[in-house]
Amino acid sequence: DTGVSQDPRHKITKRGQNVTFRCDPISEHNRLYWYRQTLGQGPEFLTYFQNEAQLEKSRLLSDRFSAERPKGSFSTLEIQRTEQGDSAMYLCAGRSGTEAFFGQGTRLTVV
Amino acid sequence: GDSVTQMEGPVTLSEEAFLTINCTYTATGYPSLFWYVQYPGEGLQLLLKATKADDKGSNKGFEATYRKETTSFHLEKGSVQVSDSAVYFCALSELGLSQAGTALIFGKGTTLSVSS
Repeated sequence: DTGVSQDPRHKITKRGQNVTFRCDPISEHNRLYWYRQTLGQGPEFLTYFQNEAQLEKSRLLSDRFSAERPKGSFSTLEIQRTEQGDSAMYLCAGRSGTEAFFGQGTRLTVV
Repeated sequence: GDSVTQMEGPVTLSEEAFLTINCTYTATGYPSLFWYVQYPGEGLQLLLKATKADDKGSNKGFEATYRKETTSFHLEKGSVQVSDSAVYFCALSELGLSQAGTALIFGKGTTLSVSS
């Protein structure tokens, strides 16, 4: 158990709907990352928070994606107007120092 | 940009066989290197790491040595077990403790299947 929890574990949604995922890192993780992992690929970086500030975004993060980390604790990732290409595992990682601790992920299926 | 290339799988071995999974990287600076493991139905777990050239990371019988001259970080284990069956990811990060940002960059993963 890494101490990083993600909710929900699975989400099935219809194309065009909005979805929101939540990540709860442990309190020591001042840095928080979101990644996306598709079948047969390694995780790809989406965005990064240092405390409550969103400091970095990947080009993968289209305008339909938004992430927040109010108060520097939990974080949410919202996808608006979902598309079938958004189907993937969404991973959250908390980090302090050089080691990142991953949650178990949220598997999104867009039908 | 930075990238990681690892050997494609699946790798299929018998129990007690020797394991090597190759990993090479491209980086502009001096990255830290990592191996993560993903067991079926579970999240990514850090297996081992090395933060500078010639460092050897080790854990659970697995080893990898940071080779700057060949830009490699190959994963090895002398005798694999059925319980080692998982997907293994090589990754790098240029994060220094004083730097902000810089996410992990992963390879595509190598599936290891060990049979008894």
